[in-house]
Amino acid sequence: QVQLVESGGGVVQPGRSLRLSCAASQFTFSNYAMHWVRQAPGKGLEWVALISYDGSNKYYADSVKGRFTISRDNSKNTLHLQMNSLRAEDTAVYYCAKEKFAMRLVVPGYGMDVWGQGTTVTVSS
Amino acid sequence: DIQMTQSPSSLSASVGDRVTITCRASQSISSYLNWYQQKPGKAPKLLIYPASSLQSGVPSRFSGSGSGTDFTLTISSLQPEDFATYYCQQSHSTPFAFGQGTRLEIK
Repeated sequence: QVQLVESGGGVVQPGRSLRLSCAASQFTFSNYAMHWVRQAPGKGLEWVALISYDGSNKYYADSVKGRFTISRDNSKNTLHLQMNSLRAEDTAVYYCAKEKFAMRLVVPGYGMDVWGQGTTVTVSS
Repeated sequence: DIQMTQSPSSLSASVGDRVTITCRASQSISSYLNWYQQKPGKAPKLLIYPASSLQSGVPSRFSGSGSGTDFTLTISSLQPEDFATYYCQQSHSTPFAFGQGTRLEIK
């Protein structure tokens, strides 16, 4: 079945970097825009970043702009989130998610229909 | 940036009840409003997109309506598996903000 599996989470000190990955399977990854969404402990969902199906367009939440970079490798069916200058408030479960419709303008969107299980990032000294 | 406000923040209801959750956008988002269900320790699940289309596999007791700035999610007859947290999300323009969530609890 269609699947997304995140990896790369862990415990990191403030100011350091971490790279998350999301491996996609059982769908044509290169046809779909992809998102990162996070959830701090006990809190609600926060949209983080979006990348178009071909990687040509990228969008970020204000809270991560300039520190996080979303990218993708369509040859390896993999999505990435490079997180630099990490802060305590970046502590969260990070989910990757697939945009519902293929190969279209990513904005406006139509929702995220497939989600990974999440990977936990803890920023602490 | 567009802000999303859900009400109520929490709700107690019984099996068989009809429940309505409201989501309001700070400016018009046309019909680009999606609803998700999240259970503890699990990833969110898409229920409704955009505004009123039922995601494949989602029971027909779930429905969505609205356009512009005001939207509703209705569950026509609550089932035990529906007790969860519900989020709205606008996908009209980035950043794609979520509402703060509505926790639906058993009365």
